[in-house]
This record gives sequence, C-alpha cells and structure tokens, in this order.
Amino acid sequence: DVKVTQSSRYLVKRTGEKVFLECVQDMDHENMFWYRQDPGLGLRLIYFSYDVKMKEKGDIPEGYSVSREKKERFSLILESASTNQTSMYLCASSFLGSSTGELFFGEGSRLTVL
Amino acid sequence: RKEVEQDPGPFNVPEGATVAFNCTYSNSASQSFFWYRQDCRKEPKLLMSVYSSGNEDGRFTAQLNRASQYISLLIRDSKLSDSATYLCVGSGGYQKVTFGTGTKLQVIP
Repeated sequence: DVKVTQSSRYLVKRTGEKVFLECVQDMDHENMFWYRQDPGLGLRLIYFSYDVKMKEKGDIPEGYSVSREKKERFSLILESASTNQTSMYLCASSFLGSSTGELFFGEGSRLTVL
Repeated sequence: RKEVEQDPGPFNVPEGATVAFNCTYSNSASQSFFWYRQDCRKEPKLLMSVYSSGNEDGRFTAQLNRASQYISLLIRDSKLSDSATYLCVGSGGYQKVTFGTGTKLQVIP
C-alpha cells in the first residue's frame, strides 16, 4: 500500500521558533510537494522537488525553505515561525511525468503558532 | 480571479438524490483535470480523472467542457458515505497543479 508519512500530526510552536516538518514516501516517487491548506483558500503550493537536491518555488514560498537530501524524504522548514503560518501542511508525492495526475498525500500536519 | 473556482456549498442533499458540482477554470493551458475527495480532517485522495469524452465510474460521472472551461461531477443515488469535500484540480504538468477550494457535500438520511 502506498504511503506518505508526515512526522507530526499536531504541533504548537511559539513565534520566532524554527520548525521542521518532515515527510517520507515509500513509493520511489520522483516528485514531492508541500502544500498548505486554509479555509476558503484551498491548497496552495509552497515548494516542490522533482529530484534529490532539486527544489522549485511554488505559489507561496515566502517564509519557508525545503530540503531534499534523499529521494524518499522532503522537509519543510520555517526559519522563524509567525502566527500567519498557522495552517494545515500537506505533503504529497507523485511519479515524474505522471499522466494520471495522481498526487498521494500524507495525513497532514496541523501547525499552530502562538 | 482564481485559476480554479468552485461553489463552496454546502450542498445538503437527501440520500438517493442526484447532485452535480461545477468547477470553472481560467488557465487555458491546463491540460488535465481531476476530482479529488477530501473527508473531514483527512488528506485529499484522487476520485477520478476528467476527460472531454466523459468519464464514468459507478455512480460518478465527470465531464470536461473545454469551450466553456468548466468541469462537472455528477453523483447519482447519493450515499451517506459520499459526504465529503470535493476538490476540482487542473494540471498543466506536474509543476502546475492547481486545486480549487472545494465543494462540501452533506448527504442527509
């Protein structure tokens, strides 16, 4: 069974803290994505990666960075968390050039920044 | 204007009813379209792809109208288990996957 695992389901952090969200997939997918989901705004792409050590900015990269040192792992980093980064963060993966467009999502990490 | 727009609902329908959702897109470069389903507090999962020729999977039918730039999803004989949020997705390749904000469906006993 395909699996995308996010390290933390729920996190509470304080403003200014550094936050790491980790994502691991076991499907040997080339593409990995980080989205955030907010009510009324839907899913918005933060960053994606199509290969190890490769990364591309999505629609809302400000305040975030990513790391992909291994094919199966894609990390999202908030260098200095702010309250407007309180959100649900979803990691996803897919095959390179997937014609079905199917993204496999993790269960999400709900981050609250106080 | 958002690239993919959906009526947020909620659509409250009785069991057994037929319900249809529409989604409009503004980026004519989008080549592929999909419907995802997201249950409450769960991750989105692919429901079905959308083709110009139509795509049917059991009680679900999806249709793409490129001329009018809209996508539809029809659910026949609604079940309680169909209650979820349905996300319309447009793709111009893996680098450009755009999600709508979702349409909430509540099927009532």
